Amino acid sequence: GDSVTQMEGPVTLSEEAFLTINCTYTATGYPSLFWYVQYPGEGLQLLLKATKADDKGSNKGFEATYRKETTSFHLEKGSVQVSDSAVYFCAPSMNYGGSQGNLIFGKGTKLSVKP
Amino acid sequence: DVKVTQSSRYLVKRTGEKVFLECVQDMDHENMFWYRQDPGLGLRLIYFSYDVKMKEKGDIPEGYSVSREKKERFSLILESASTNQTSMYLCASSLWGTGLGNQPQHFGDGTRLSIL
Repeated sequence: GDSVTQMEGPVTLSEEAFLTINCTYTATGYPSLFWYVQYPGEGLQLLLKATKADDKGSNKGFEATYRKETTSFHLEKGSVQVSDSAVYFCAPSMNYGGSQGNLIFGKGTKLSVKP
Repeated sequence: DVKVTQSSRYLVKRTGEKVFLECVQDMDHENMFWYRQDPGLGLRLIYFSYDVKMKEKGDIPEGYSVSREKKERFSLILESASTNQTSMYLCASSLWGTGLGNQPQHFGDGTRLSIL
């Protein structure tokens, strides 16, 4: 079945370090791809998205590129801040049959950024 | 901006009680979803709905039911609460339409439910 694999956390970085969170997926058809962020005590917020191969989603300094050939959607940021400390979820969408709009969530990667 | 509102941030109930969690969205979205979130397990889909009075089981529907009498409101019901239903519950909504699988879900802030 459809699934998503994220790198396990927690990830601890110093401020201004480079961030990569890996995400690979298996999905039927041609999913759209999303990254969500969850700050402590809050719900999930959409961080960025990509809808077709080679699309690059970007927001708040974060980027991810839709790699169809490797079925990956890795999240990157060149210089993290303490305020980026949160849990990050990769989520491809189901794009067929009766489940259009459903998302498949990874288990999340907790990021802690130290000053 | 889309607003998804969950009726309670924190809720404490007793074993065996019937528990209602309410969710309202203000953007006329067709799709609505209920998830639970547990440490180490990520988000798991309980139920979802594509339209008024329609519902579909997700991955873990046992012990839960839902109600969607109006388009903007989606209720999650724990028929007889048990301690293993202590969790964070998240509601979400999204647009529906053929070929619109790329529409993001918008989430509420969650309800942290404790069953004693």
